[in-house]
Amino acid sequence: EAGVAQSPRYKIIEKRQSVAFWCNPISGHATLYWYQQILGQGPKLLIQFQNNGVVDDSQLPKDRFSAERLKGVDSTLKIQPAKLEDSAVYLCASSPRPLDQETQYFGPGTRLLVL
Amino acid sequence: AQKITQTQPGMFVQEKEAVTLDCTYDTSDPSYGLFWYKQPSSGEMIFLIYQGSYDQQNATEGRYSLNFQKARKSANLVISASQLGDSAMYFCVYKGNQGGKLIFGQGTELSVKP
Repeated sequence: EAGVAQSPRYKIIEKRQSVAFWCNPISGHATLYWYQQILGQGPKLLIQFQNNGVVDDSQLPKDRFSAERLKGVDSTLKIQPAKLEDSAVYLCASSPRPLDQETQYFGPGTRLLVL
Repeated sequence: AQKITQTQPGMFVQEKEAVTLDCTYDTSDPSYGLFWYKQPSSGEMIFLIYQGSYDQQNATEGRYSLNFQKARKSANLVISASQLGDSAMYFCVYKGNQGGKLIFGQGTELSVKP
């Protein structure tokens, strides 16, 4: 079974530019998550989708970050305009259901550097 | 709010020896799950082991076992017979009944010495 796919793997942009990341979850997984992992820290949840609906976006900086999962399959995370502090790895994960015991499977991540 | 604490920023272990990575948590949720993930330098997050709060036995997965002490709110990871490939960052992760949100600890960087 194919894992969670993410692209691009690396991105370098200048501050105030915009950037978009793409994620394709494991086939059949209804729940999709975007995490931000700043260097030296554990990942922090940005947004959680259940099918194409948002379940939790409480930690998403909505003035500059947006995410969508229009058809309930793949998802896009956008930053506009980027700030220096957005430099991080952006991890996408998926699970069949958001239940306690369900393991989340992570993609390889997109490493973003904002100059 | 739930909180996960890993007090060991870095650990060294000799190859073939066992090592314990500490994790404590704070929660008032009636049920929850605890995970350990491994993150090598390449960046991917790899699931290792899961423990449910109502599981009667400690979880084991190959060389990984979880020393779960519910009353003490600790969920330590034990890696037996360490291998060089075990060198990585290890995260203790809490998942409550809020619908899937994972809360990560700060991580412990394990280095296995030959």
